Amino acid sequence: GAVVSQHPSWVICKSGTSVKIECRSLDFQATTMFWYRQFPKQSLMLMATSNEGSKATYEQGVEKDKFLINHASLTLSTLTVTSAHPEDSSFYICSAPGSGRITTEQFFGPGTRLTVL
Amino acid sequence: GQQVMQIPQYQHVQEGEDFTTYCNSSTTLSNIQWYKQRPGGHPVFLIQLVKSGEVKKQKRLTFQFGEAKKNSSLHITATQTTDVGTYFCAGGVGFGNEKLTFGTGTRLTIIP
Repeated sequence: GAVVSQHPSWVICKSGTSVKIECRSLDFQATTMFWYRQFPKQSLMLMATSNEGSKATYEQGVEKDKFLINHASLTLSTLTVTSAHPEDSSFYICSAPGSGRITTEQFFGPGTRLTVL
Repeated sequence: GQQVMQIPQYQHVQEGEDFTTYCNSSTTLSNIQWYKQRPGGHPVFLIQLVKSGEVKKQKRLTFQFGEAKKNSSLHITATQTTDVGTYFCAGGVGFGNEKLTFGTGTRLTIIP
């Protein structure tokens, strides 16, 4: 199956700093990628849809100026958490849909655990 | 907005017992997908259901999609320790690169 990687796998930062997370599709091209946030023992909450070559589409309640998304190529999307605060500490996961027109499974990256001190 | 609920939230079963999780959407879906997330891991795709009333089987797992395309279920027969994890349903209202709304999840633990 298709492989999606994320980097870094974990990061600890001080409050007020910015953190960039990379999501790469390794063996396929992804014009669309999705960014999720998952708090402990909770479900995946979609933050935004990343579109190659155009602006991301953010879900209601997600601050686009705080969570900057860039999808500069068909294999790379980045999420930058700007001016991070302790409440931003979470597990951030990206996914990319497969190429099927009917079966549209999403392939998930391994996730990035962000801890803001 | 669209909401997808799952029950139960937690399920503890003795190894060898059966397990079922139920998924309900507030809106009609074009498709429902099921994912499994092991502790500390990321979601892994299990199956997609598209047709009203569809039933699919994968070895000990049986998936159903309701007639109204608003609910679904996952049934595991004779659970094994490898079945441990959280099972999420995810509803889609389109196809292709359309986004999914994930259910609240059911965490399954197995008592050996």
